[in-house]
Amino acid sequence: KAGVTQTPRYLIKTRGQQVTLSCSPISGHRSVSWYQQTPGQGLQFLFEYFSETQRNKGNFPGRFSGRQFSNSRSEMNVSTLELGDSALYLCASSFLTGMIQETQYFGPGTRLLVL
Amino acid sequence: DQQVKQNSPSLSVQEGRISILNCDYTNSMFDYFLWYKKYPAEGPTFLISISSIKDKNEDGRFTVFLNKSAKHLSLHIVPSQPGDSAVYFCAASARKNAGNMLTFGGGTRLMVKP
Repeated sequence: KAGVTQTPRYLIKTRGQQVTLSCSPISGHRSVSWYQQTPGQGLQFLFEYFSETQRNKGNFPGRFSGRQFSNSRSEMNVSTLELGDSALYLCASSFLTGMIQETQYFGPGTRLLVL
Repeated sequence: DQQVKQNSPSLSVQEGRISILNCDYTNSMFDYFLWYKKYPAEGPTFLISISSIKDKNEDGRFTVFLNKSAKHLSLHIVPSQPGDSAVYFCAASARKNAGNMLTFGGGTRLMVKP
């Protein structure tokens, strides 16, 4: 079974631009979560989507947004990029039965550099 | 407010010996705990998890222990191998809106010396 895939793997943008990152979950997984990893803040939860609906949201500004499509694929968007948005953005998927806690499986990440 | 803490930023162990990585949490609502292993510029790889209804879970060389009263969990790796050298993150989640949201510790870098 293929794992979580993320595209692109690397991205360079300049301040003020916007960026869209894509994530394809493991086949059959319906929940997709996004995380940001930076040296200063560690791994932080951005948001989670299930059945095209945002279920949870972390403490990030409104410049960070996401969506999920009917095939469970997800995109996240960051508008008006700032230098501090440089990070590794990770996507994770889980089956999410809703009955028990699910293990999340991570993709390789997208490394974003904002200049 | 760090809800999940890994107080040891690094740990060095000899090959063949036991590695013990520790994690403390403050949120009593956490009911599911996971350990991930991570290499630079890669996504975390799931290792092992434990539900709050258990106090121990074992999978091969990896064992996780949970002490709910102390709000403490630990990962034991026996025997340690050089390939285990990586950053290890503990993570916790609480049932909220029937969804998933992981809170991560800051990580512990494990170095296993041949």
